[in-house]
Amino acid sequence: EPEVTQTPSHQVTQMGQEVILRCVPISNHLYFYWYRQILGQKVEFLVSFYNNEISEKSEIFDDQFSVERPDGSNFTLKIRSTKLEDSAMYFCASTLGIDTQYFGPGTRLTVL
Amino acid sequence: GEDVEQSLFLSVREGDSSVINCTYTDSSSTYLYWYKQEPGAGLQLLTYIFSNMDMKQDQRLTVLLNKKDKHLSLRIADTQTGDSAIYFCAEILSGSARQLTFGSGTQLTVLP
Repeated sequence: EPEVTQTPSHQVTQMGQEVILRCVPISNHLYFYWYRQILGQKVEFLVSFYNNEISEKSEIFDDQFSVERPDGSNFTLKIRSTKLEDSAMYFCASTLGIDTQYFGPGTRLTVL
Repeated sequence: GEDVEQSLFLSVREGDSSVINCTYTDSSSTYLYWYKQEPGAGLQLLTYIFSNMDMKQDQRLTVLLNKKDKHLSLRIADTQTGDSAIYFCAEILSGSARQLTFGSGTQLTVLP
């Protein structure tokens, strides 16, 4: 069964460093999302991406964040200058249409 | 507001039924979802219901939707220890780019 994959599973970085989180959505899906979950809290929407552009972003998704779909398969989230409060689990999701979103296993980002 | 509300904790005995409740916010939501998250893992889609349905049954899972009260519930029959996890309800707000808005999650503990 096709699935969303994410790499790395765990990323440790120093405050101020740039990180790139990678996702490979399900191949025929059209809509792509990033969510984050701070430890013990709810899952929060960051950004949605469709037709090679951002379709919506939340207040969390400030200028330090960017997304890219550099080729036909990868979908990346870049954080330019990480802060301590960026430590969280980051989930990628994809969907073909308006029904179900399939989530990847997540990348745990730890900012020291 | 845009908060999806869930009670935080539920404990049941193995073999009993579990009922996890959720109050959502947008009466125009077209799809409502239940996701399961086991410790340290990603989000697993359990089931979803379309807003023109009152009930959906899928093996041990029964979803009930009360649109008038904006209330969604998930019933797990014959709850097993492997059902211990956090259960999130989620909705897609009308007019959005189809991103999910999650509740805070209900920690289900199944006691032997």
